[in-house]
Amino acid sequence: GAVVSQHPSRVICKSGTSVKIECRSLDFQATTMFWYRQFPKQSLMLMATSNEGSKATYEQGVEKDKFLINHASLTLSTLTVTSAHPEDSSFYICSARSSGNTDEQYFGPGTRLTVT
Amino acid sequence: QKEVEQNSGPLSVPEGAIASLNCTYSDRGSQSFFWYRQYSGKSPELIMSIYSNGDKEDGRFTAQLNKASQYVSLLIRDSQPSDSATYLCAVWASDTDKLIFGTGTRLQVFP
Repeated sequence: GAVVSQHPSRVICKSGTSVKIECRSLDFQATTMFWYRQFPKQSLMLMATSNEGSKATYEQGVEKDKFLINHASLTLSTLTVTSAHPEDSSFYICSARSSGNTDEQYFGPGTRLTVT
Repeated sequence: QKEVEQNSGPLSVPEGAIASLNCTYSDRGSQSFFWYRQYSGKSPELIMSIYSNGDKEDGRFTAQLNKASQYVSLLIRDSQPSDSATYLCAVWASDTDKLIFGTGTRLQVFP
């Protein structure tokens, strides 16, 4: 099956700093990547949709200036959490949709962010 | 607003039994349907996709789709304790080009 990687898997940062998370599709080209956040015992929450070469589309209530998304190539998207605060601590998961004909979406292993 | 409904569970079944997970969706225009498995603390893993009415089998898993009833199900035969996880039903919303997830059903398989 298609493989999506994320880096780092865990990160601890201090309040006010920025953190960058990378998402890569390893064996397929992903025209579209998605960024989700999941708090403990809660559902996945879609934050934004990222298309290669264009600006990301953010879901209602997600601050685009705080969560910067760049989809520079067909295999790489990055999420930067700027000026992180403790309430940004969460499990961030990316997914990638193949550029083929199916709508299948494959998830990365996630990044656990803790802001102290 | 498009919705995907699942019973949150937990659904408890004995080892070796068939686990039946159900999902209904509101968007009649949806054409693509998926089941993901999510272990605690991990990201979702795609286990089945189905696009046509009827059954689709893959190993111990069978997905069933009934578009007229707007109903998708997942059957897990010979359930194992390692199947214990949360199962997420997802429906592709073609007009917004994104997956709509249900809240998931927690499955517990006891020895």
